[in-house]
Amino acid sequence: GEKVEQHESTLSVREGDSAVINCTYTDTASSYFPWYKQEAGKSLHFVIDIRSNVDRKQSQRLIVLLDKKAKRFSLHITATQPEDSAIYFCAASTPSSSFSKLVFGQGTSLSVVP
Amino acid sequence: DMKVTQMPRYLIKRMGENVLLECGQDMSHETMYWYRQDPGLGLQLIYISYDVDSNSEGDIPKGYRVSRKKREHFSLILDSAKTNQTSVYFCASSPGQKRDTQYFGPGTRLLVL
Repeated sequence: GEKVEQHESTLSVREGDSAVINCTYTDTASSYFPWYKQEAGKSLHFVIDIRSNVDRKQSQRLIVLLDKKAKRFSLHITATQPEDSAIYFCAASTPSSSFSKLVFGQGTSLSVVP
Repeated sequence: DMKVTQMPRYLIKRMGENVLLECGQDMSHETMYWYRQDPGLGLQLIYISYDVDSNSEGDIPKGYRVSRKKREHFSLILDSAKTNQTSVYFCASSPGQKRDTQYFGPGTRLLVL
């Protein structure tokens, strides 16, 4: 089955710099890649996603890139702010897995330091 | 305001006791999920429910069962809890049977002694 790996378990950046979190997946049939954010002691909430028919998507300070050949996708957070500090999870979903079944990466803990 | 609720938020049980975790959503979502979150492992899918009385095993169903008798309500049951089931459990829901955004509840922190 699908496996999703997050390369960075922790990441620390200075406020105002960019942060990049990288994920790889194994199933070439995967076509939907969402990102979720979990603030300390809280639940997960959706931040941005990308589908396999595009290779770039931006929502305000968040950019997602998808490289299907390398089976890699990444989340770029520009002009980071302290409130960006959280654990970020990438996930992948395949057409063969029915009904919105997502496989999650292990999470990357991002710290934005002033 | 779209919402997924979970009860209880914190629970301490002894090994061998039964555990009932409840999840509700007010969005009329068809699909609901139960996950557990352990440090370094991300989220692992326990069960999916596509609709009332239509449930499927996820990746780690052993030791768990589920019940969905109403669309807005999805329960996770641990019969005779084990210490390795100590974890944080999240319920989620999504609108339909596609690759839709999932909305997560606040989580239940379960400690099995």
